[in-house]
Amino acid sequence: AQSVSQHNHHVILSEAASLELGCNYSYGGTVNLFWYVQYPGQHLQLLLKYFSGDPLVKGIKGFEAEFIKSKFSFNLRKPSVQWSDTAEYFCAVNGFAGKSTFGDGTTLTVKP
Amino acid sequence: DAGVTQSPTHLIKTRGQQVTLRCSPKSGHDTVSWYQQALGQGPQFIFQYYEEEERQRGNFPDRFSGHQFPNYSSELNVNALLLGDSALYLCASSLTRNNEQFFGPGTRLTVL
Repeated sequence: AQSVSQHNHHVILSEAASLELGCNYSYGGTVNLFWYVQYPGQHLQLLLKYFSGDPLVKGIKGFEAEFIKSKFSFNLRKPSVQWSDTAEYFCAVNGFAGKSTFGDGTTLTVKP
Repeated sequence: DAGVTQSPTHLIKTRGQQVTLRCSPKSGHDTVSWYQQALGQGPQFIFQYYEEEERQRGNFPDRFSGHQFPNYSSELNVNALLLGDSALYLCASSLTRNNEQFFGPGTRLTVL
């Protein structure tokens, strides 16, 4: 069975601070990994994805994530956050085509 | 290019009633997945449809059923509604060869 654990439920940062959100997954086979973002009042949007190849993936808006297979982790990072990054962030794992298991999300609040 | 659309936006029902939610996938997509997102939690996979058949199913009772039409649009039906069915219901579409999913805005169901 697939499972995803996001360690931080709520993160509060000041603008220009660096961000790292933790994500660990459990699945015995090959996985595809995703980070989604949900801005206030908007629907889920794909931030970045990892299917194979370079374990450091870059997404939109300056976000990146690193897949560490030995640690079953896929942490999300951004060097300098902006107020507009305030949103809820979801990590997801997909071991079968189209069936994604999501974590419970991390709410990021960036103070101006 | 229209993205994933869902209707209705909001719905209020009473316990024991039945509800039907609708989804139109992104143009060119042939696979539709449905998720339930309770307040404060990540989306939970309900089931996935491809070629008008339920291909995979999550841990949801038989009260939850669905359908996919030849034009790839889909319906989610929930019978004998319970208070606990109150949630945001998300539809996501994808190509079978590509696990990247695009989400709709969701239908907010309230069961009184």
